[in-house]
Amino acid sequence: DTEVTQTPKHLVMGMTNKKSLKCEQHMGHRAMYWYKQKAKKPPELMFVYSYEKLSINESVPSRFSPECPNSSLLNLHLHALQPEDSALYLCASSQEIPGSEQYFGPGTRLTVT
Amino acid sequence: AQSVTQLDSHVSVSEGTPVLLRCNYSSSYSPSLFWYVQHPNKGLQLLLKYTSAATLVKGINGFEAEFKKSETSFHLTKPSAHMSDAAEYFCVVSDRYSGGFKTIFGAGTRLFVKA
Repeated sequence: DTEVTQTPKHLVMGMTNKKSLKCEQHMGHRAMYWYKQKAKKPPELMFVYSYEKLSINESVPSRFSPECPNSSLLNLHLHALQPEDSALYLCASSQEIPGSEQYFGPGTRLTVT
Repeated sequence: AQSVTQLDSHVSVSEGTPVLLRCNYSSSYSPSLFWYVQHPNKGLQLLLKYTSAATLVKGINGFEAEFKKSETSFHLTKPSAHMSDAAEYFCVVSDRYSGGFKTIFGAGTRLFVKA
């Protein structure tokens, strides 16, 4: 099974809402990633978890809060977002081996109103 | 410093003709190189990867890429384009830096396939 699943597929939220994005993989990967992708741009790395510990935070605003409850799950908690945060949010996973390929989920299309 | 340059933002081909998507990279070490494809509103799918084995790498859906260290290139090719190949393609480098490993995405190339 080389699938990374993400829920929900689409999310519309107001600037005062709190919501969460979920990501799951069952490939035994110990590295998991959150990316943000704006239209016609490559994905931008937000966070990296390695063995359930946050290893990279690319200076992401605190209104985005990641969580890795276990080795298969990755959440992104959202609070007080801005309209410019509207984007496709992609989750990925990989083996914890340098140079390993990443497997991507289908993404959550987020719209902040 | 590591970087990835996709030389064309858009490429347009006719169905049945060859595809060439160009990628150059700069790296201080021996990088791992990847090509990913992204169809509209979808996630990224791995087409192929180079990790210091054979320099000609075969991937899915008839795509292949050749690693040329002397030219620092990793161009993606396919002999005959299909309508379903129309998508965004990203060249990606995974490379060492002083703090560990870093994944760098190219800006992407949009492939159009005309009937």
